[in-house]
Amino acid sequence: EVQLVETGGGLIQPGGSLRLSCAASGFTVSSNYMSWVRQAPGKGLEWVSIIYSGGTTYYADSVKGRFTISRDNSKNTLYLQMNSLRAEDTAIYYCARRPPSPTPYAFDIWGQGTMVTVSS
Amino acid sequence: DIQMTQSPSTLSASVGDRVTITCRASQSISSWLAWYQQKPGKAPKLLIYKASSLESGVPSRFSGSGSGTEFTLTISSLQPDDFATYYCQQYNNYWTFGQGTKVEIK
Repeated sequence: EVQLVETGGGLIQPGGSLRLSCAASGFTVSSNYMSWVRQAPGKGLEWVSIIYSGGTTYYADSVKGRFTISRDNSKNTLYLQMNSLRAEDTAIYYCARRPPSPTPYAFDIWGQGTMVTVSS
Repeated sequence: DIQMTQSPSTLSASVGDRVTITCRASQSISSWLAWYQQKPGKAPKLLIYKASSLESGVPSRFSGSGSGTEFTLTISSLQPDDFATYYCQQYNNYWTFGQGTKVEIK
């Protein structure tokens, strides 16, 4: 079965760090474009970051310089290292897959999400 | 940055109604637009990609149309399972979501 399972969320103080994990099954993370999308409580969806199959990474301006996306091919797992966390980073964080395609494509597989709360 | 604007923000409808949601892009995105459905406490689910292509397993009552800057999602006959929030997303230049349209029971 193709699925994504996020872990690592929790309560963290402002300025702290947290690493989210997204374990994939049923497909290979390194062969796909893998992304993080977040959703603040009661709000809409916000794209956060993406890593291409070739390793190129992109970030939303709101997290650039603070968040780092990476993957471990041996564990078939995607990561999001979040540093210098702010209250406005409080959200459910979803990982999502963009299938390998020569043309742009949508996010077809999503995890169930992990909640990150930044508060003192 | 490309901005995506959905309308309406909330839509009240009855089972069996034909429902249309509009999404406008701040600049042309060709047909690189997706629609997602999200239910409370759940992850988004891909319904439509490339503006009008139905994702595998999605009921045929869902359809999408448009290109350039104006797009629509239509539900031909609203079913009880369709009450949810719907988001458009452009993926022409990075990735941007609309603010969402909540479809609620009238």
